[in-house]
Amino acid sequence: DSGVTQTPKHLITATGQRVTLRCSPRSGDLSVYWYQQSLDQGLQFLIQYYNGEERAKGNILERFSAQQFPDLHSELNLSSLELGDSALYFCASSASGTGHYEQYFGPGTRLTVT
Amino acid sequence: TQLLEQSPQFLSIQEGENLTVYCNSSSVFSSLQWYRQEPGEGPVLLVTVVTGGEVKKLKRLTFQFGDARKDSSLHITAAQPGDTGLYLCAGLNTGNQFYFGTGTSLTVIP
Repeated sequence: DSGVTQTPKHLITATGQRVTLRCSPRSGDLSVYWYQQSLDQGLQFLIQYYNGEERAKGNILERFSAQQFPDLHSELNLSSLELGDSALYFCASSASGTGHYEQYFGPGTRLTVT
Repeated sequence: TQLLEQSPQFLSIQEGENLTVYCNSSSVFSSLQWYRQEPGEGPVLLVTVVTGGEVKKLKRLTFQFGDARKDSSLHITAAQPGDTGLYLCAGLNTGNQFYFGTGTSLTVIP
């Protein structure tokens, strides 16, 4: 158990809908990262937050947004969903997010768009 | 996108055999990590290598970072069924972001 929790574990929704994925980092970790894992694209970095502020952006679509709240939990919002958004979404956390930091991954949310 | 290519993509071996997985890029990374991921779970960090030429051993696993910090290898001695999983390398770039490799799916047959 990494100490990172994600909910829900599975999510099935229709095209055009909007969903919210939730992540709670390990106790004491200030950085949260979101990743998307699909069969054809592998594990892709989406976005990083540090202590409530956006720190880095990767391959995140404009239809996707995220935020980190004062209690350090984070939410990833996916809107106008398309079939291609079906994937595993992972959240990871680290203590600082700088230097040679170590990331701890949650169990993931499997999103299926039908 | 800074591409990290892993080879082989799939590997199926008998218990007790040795194997090596490679992670190659044209980009320089300040550090490189290896993860193992089991079905339905998140990746679990195995090791971080920081210095070019660095070698780290973790029981039967040996990790090496290339001298130019562009490539890495993972060698497993006497593989066991418990080693089965998806192995991912991840390079940390100067923008402080990790880029993950394409993955190597290992199956160790008892």
